[in-house]
Amino acid sequence: KAGVTQTPRYLIKTRGQQVTLSCSPISGHRSVSWYQQTPGQGLQFLFEYFSETQRNKGNFPGRFSGRQFSNSRSEMNVSTLELGDSALYLCASSMLPGQGLFYNEQFFGPGTRLTVL
Amino acid sequence: GDSVTQMEGPVTLSEEAFLTINCTYTATGYPSLFWYVQYPGEGLQLLLKATKADDKGSNKGFEATYRKETTSFHLEKGSVQVSDSAVYFCALSGGGGGADGLTFGKGTHLIIQP
Repeated sequence: KAGVTQTPRYLIKTRGQQVTLSCSPISGHRSVSWYQQTPGQGLQFLFEYFSETQRNKGNFPGRFSGRQFSNSRSEMNVSTLELGDSALYLCASSMLPGQGLFYNEQFFGPGTRLTVL
Repeated sequence: GDSVTQMEGPVTLSEEAFLTINCTYTATGYPSLFWYVQYPGEGLQLLLKATKADDKGSNKGFEATYRKETTSFHLEKGSVQVSDSAVYFCALSGGGGGADGLTFGKGTHLIIQP
């Protein structure tokens, strides 16, 4: 079974631009979560999508947005890029969304390395 | 909100040494606990998990026991190998104190020298 795929793997943008990252979950998985990984802040939860609806959102500004398509593929968008947005963006998929105490195992993709100049 | 605290390292050990990476957590509920590993240039891989108190997760020689009384989930391995060099993340989910995503510690960089 193919794993989670993320495209592109590497991206270089300049301040003020916008960027779209793509994530294809494992076949049969309907939930997709996004995380930002930076040396300073570590891994932080961005948002989770299930059945094309955002279920949860972390503490990030509105410049960060996402969506999910009917085939469960997800995209995240960052507008008006800032230097601090340079990070590894990780996507994770699971069969079902997390529901409080009932955790559904998440499988991570290799990430997209975004560099903002 | 929920939080996870772990030593950041780097932790440098010789091959065949005993490994312990400490992890403690704060959560309002009864979370599930995880250890993830990240090899250079790769995403995260689930190493082991425990979903209730006193559960022991184990995989590839690594073990961790969910200790509710000390809110800890320390990772151990009896004899490390050079191939174990990676960054290890302790994480929790379902703690009741935040979004349903995983809450991670800052990660511990482990370096094993031959």
